[in-house]
Amino acid sequence: QVQLVESGGGVVQPGRSLRLSCAASGFTFSSFGMHWVRQVPGKGLEWVAIISYDGRNTYYADSVKGRFTISRDNSKNTLYLQMNSLRAEDTAVYYCAKDRKWLEAFDIWGQGTMVTVSS
Amino acid sequence: DIQMTQSPSSLSASVGDRVTITCRASQSISTYLNWYQQRPGKAPKLLIYTASSLQSGVPSRFSGSGSGADFTLTISSLQPEDFATYYCQQSYSTPWTFGQGTKVEIK
Repeated sequence: QVQLVESGGGVVQPGRSLRLSCAASGFTFSSFGMHWVRQVPGKGLEWVAIISYDGRNTYYADSVKGRFTISRDNSKNTLYLQMNSLRAEDTAVYYCAKDRKWLEAFDIWGQGTMVTVSS
Repeated sequence: DIQMTQSPSSLSASVGDRVTITCRASQSISTYLNWYQQRPGKAPKLLIYTASSLQSGVPSRFSGSGSGADFTLTISSLQPEDFATYYCQQSYSTPWTFGQGTKVEIK
């Protein structure tokens, strides 16, 4: 069964850091690009970052560039999002998602993990 | 950034109705357009990729069309499980962007 399971969300103060994880199973993780997408509760979807299958290529939304880092460990079938200098506007549900094909569509999504940035 | 605009923002329909949702890009994106369904409290689900290709396991009552800047998602006969919010998304260039969503509600 193809599955993505996020973890690491929680409540954090502005300016602090948090690392999200996404455990993949049921497919060859090392063959696919992976994304992070976020959603403020009750609002729309915002793409955050992508990493290529081998980790060599990454792209970021301007809103997180320089503060967030996407990475992966193919030996552990795990995707990460290191979030530094967090702001209140980063409060959202964070989803990891699998590329159906490089730079095409998000065909598998995790259940999401909530990040709340608040003092 | 490419802006994606969906219409309508919401609609009310009955089971069995034919429903059409449109998505317009701020520039031509060829057929780099995907559609997702999101039920309340759930993650989005891919329905259509590259404008008109049906994702595996998605019922055939869902179809997509269009190219360039104008696209359409059609549900041929609305079922109870189809009441949800639908998003279009462009994969033509980074940053990937989504439409604001169309909420399909029960009439």
